Amino acid sequence: QVQLHQWGTGLLEPSDTLSLTCTVSGGSFSGHFWTWIRQPPGKGLEWIGEINFGGPANYNSSLESRVTISIDTSRNHFSLSLTSVTAADTATYYCARGPGDYFDLWAQGTLVTVAS
Amino acid sequence: QSALTQPASVSGSLGQSITISCTGTSSDIGAYDYVSWYQQHPDNAPKLIIFGVTNRPSGFSDRFSGSKSGNVASLTISGLQAEDEAHYYCSSFTTRNMIFGGGTKVTVL
Repeated sequence: QVQLHQWGTGLLEPSDTLSLTCTVSGGSFSGHFWTWIRQPPGKGLEWIGEINFGGPANYNSSLESRVTISIDTSRNHFSLSLTSVTAADTATYYCARGPGDYFDLWAQGTLVTVAS
Repeated sequence: QSALTQPASVSGSLGQSITISCTGTSSDIGAYDYVSWYQQHPDNAPKLIIFGVTNRPSGFSDRFSGSKSGNVASLTISGLQAEDEAHYYCSSFTTRNMIFGGGTKVTVL
């Protein structure tokens, strides 16, 4: 059974770089899109971007200048980097899997708080 | 790309049916049959309940059904049960991004 488990720093200061990693266990990277989604406290979901095995990453145009998603197939994980964070980036961040038009498997989520 | 529009809240009694709408545009919902729905209970990750407008993941309750007409997608929950009380989010594929609705809080009376 495929599972996703994510980890990373939960407390950042303004202008820091957010870094999160998501490990895939029990399955293969190929044939799926690996995605990051975030949810500010008490608010809705926002798609951050995606990457698939062997392909380029695709990012939300509103975050494109600050975000990088990378994949490491040798270690079965993919990562999110978001630079120059502000309080507006405070959210629960989720990694998820899907075929490109929906998300069928989600990790548990990581609350990232940006505060000085 | 703007978010999809959902009602903030919908309520219904046990056993009743409710429908949640999700309004988009001709560039997202109207252009593709790639609408999905997610159920989220408090302090949990979202869970896929509908994909490709009308399809349910294997093993998921058939009390949940999806449809689409023009730029509006809908999720219907039949035979409302206490455990259906949650937030529900729609999502659509677009040419560039995936976008979500703002979410609907379903309350079971």
